[in-house]
Amino acid sequence: DVKVTQSSRYLVKRTGEKVFLECVQDMDHENMFWYRQDPGLGLRLIYFSYDVKMKEKGDIPEGYSVSREKKERFSLILESASTNQTSMYLCASRDRGQFTEAFFGQGTRLTVV
Amino acid sequence: QKEVEQDPGPLSVPEGAIVSLNCTYSNSAFQYFMWYRQYSRKGPELLMYTYSSGNKEDGRFTAQVDKSSKYISLFIRDSQPSDSATYLCAMNMYTGNQFYFGTGTSLTVIP
Repeated sequence: DVKVTQSSRYLVKRTGEKVFLECVQDMDHENMFWYRQDPGLGLRLIYFSYDVKMKEKGDIPEGYSVSREKKERFSLILESASTNQTSMYLCASRDRGQFTEAFFGQGTRLTVV
Repeated sequence: QKEVEQDPGPLSVPEGAIVSLNCTYSNSAFQYFMWYRQYSRKGPELLMYTYSSGNKEDGRFTAQVDKSSKYISLFIRDSQPSDSATYLCAMNMYTGNQFYFGTGTSLTVIP
């Protein structure tokens, strides 16, 4: 059974804190993604990575950074959390190829107070 | 203009109804078309995908793509309460890693 695991289901952080969201996949996929999901806005891509130590900005990278030191792990970092970063964060992974399924984690509901 | 537009709903139908969910897109480079289903407090899961114009059927679900109109649909026959979820359309190009998602349509099937 394929799996993408996010380290936390729910997080509450204070404004200005540095926040780490961790994602691990066990499928040996090259590609990993971080999205945020907000009502009325759908899934918006923050960053993705197509290989270890490689990253590409998505549509809304401001205020975020990522790290991929190992193939199976992709971390999202909020450098200084702000209330407008309160959201559902979803990690996904895909194998390389013209079309391959994206597998999602269960999501992390982050609240910044 | 967003690359993928989806009616957000919400949609509420009685059990047994036929449901039609739709998306339009603007980028003619999209080649793969997907429908993801997301239950409450879960991540999305792939329901169906297709890469050509026409219909693809899987049980009670039919995915339809009209590339000339840049329009895709998902039909659910004999809808069940277990179909209650948010349905997201997604697309990507022949090359490239990124999926482009619609905003999702919330569906409730009432017993």
